[in-house]
Amino acid sequence: NAGVTQTPKFQVLKTGQSMTLQCAQDMNHEYMSWYRQDPGMGLRLIHYSVGAGITDQGEVPNGYNVSRSTTEDFPLRLLSAAPSQTSVYFCASRGALQNEQYFGPGTRLTVT
Amino acid sequence: GDSVTQMEGPVTLSEEACLTINCTYTATGYPSLFWYVQYPGEGLQLLLKATKADDKGSNKGFEATYRKETTSFHLEKGSVQVSDSAVYFCALSDPYNQGGKLIFGQGTELSVKP
Repeated sequence: NAGVTQTPKFQVLKTGQSMTLQCAQDMNHEYMSWYRQDPGMGLRLIHYSVGAGITDQGEVPNGYNVSRSTTEDFPLRLLSAAPSQTSVYFCASRGALQNEQYFGPGTRLTVT
Repeated sequence: GDSVTQMEGPVTLSEEACLTINCTYTATGYPSLFWYVQYPGEGLQLLLKATKADDKGSNKGFEATYRKETTSFHLEKGSVQVSDSAVYFCALSDPYNQGGKLIFGQGTELSVKP
């Protein structure tokens, strides 16, 4: 199993550009989430999904969209990048009967 | 709302020293508690977990006990190694809240010197 994979590893955007961060998992997990990590703040939940076709907002959803058309994939879209979105983004998944979440390696995004 | 507070870092220790990283939480329900570790340049890995009061999680020489009476989940290791240098995150999860989202502390950076 590859676990949770994320692409790209690094990305630089200009203010106003859009892009999609990819996340996939091969563990047949129902739950998937996106977090952002900022210095001194731990990780904060952006959006999450409890199954294909179902998504909901977390703590910091503004400026981001998600969709869940398949169990395996959960892309995160930045509609119009802003410098405040400079961060490290982590995707995570867990099975419906599990407590722990499994994290991908992260995407480091810089918006100039 | 639910929250996690952990001791600030960075923490610098010599090899074979004892480690304690304090973590306290506030929660309205009955959360599960976790310690995650992040090695430089990598993602988060689950280090250990506890799902109910008085449970002790352990892994790789690290231990933490779920103390409901003091709302704490302190991370301990008797003898640290250079390879333990990393950032440690305490977190809680309520499986019935927002897909079991994790609420993290701010992280504690540990540096172990030879």
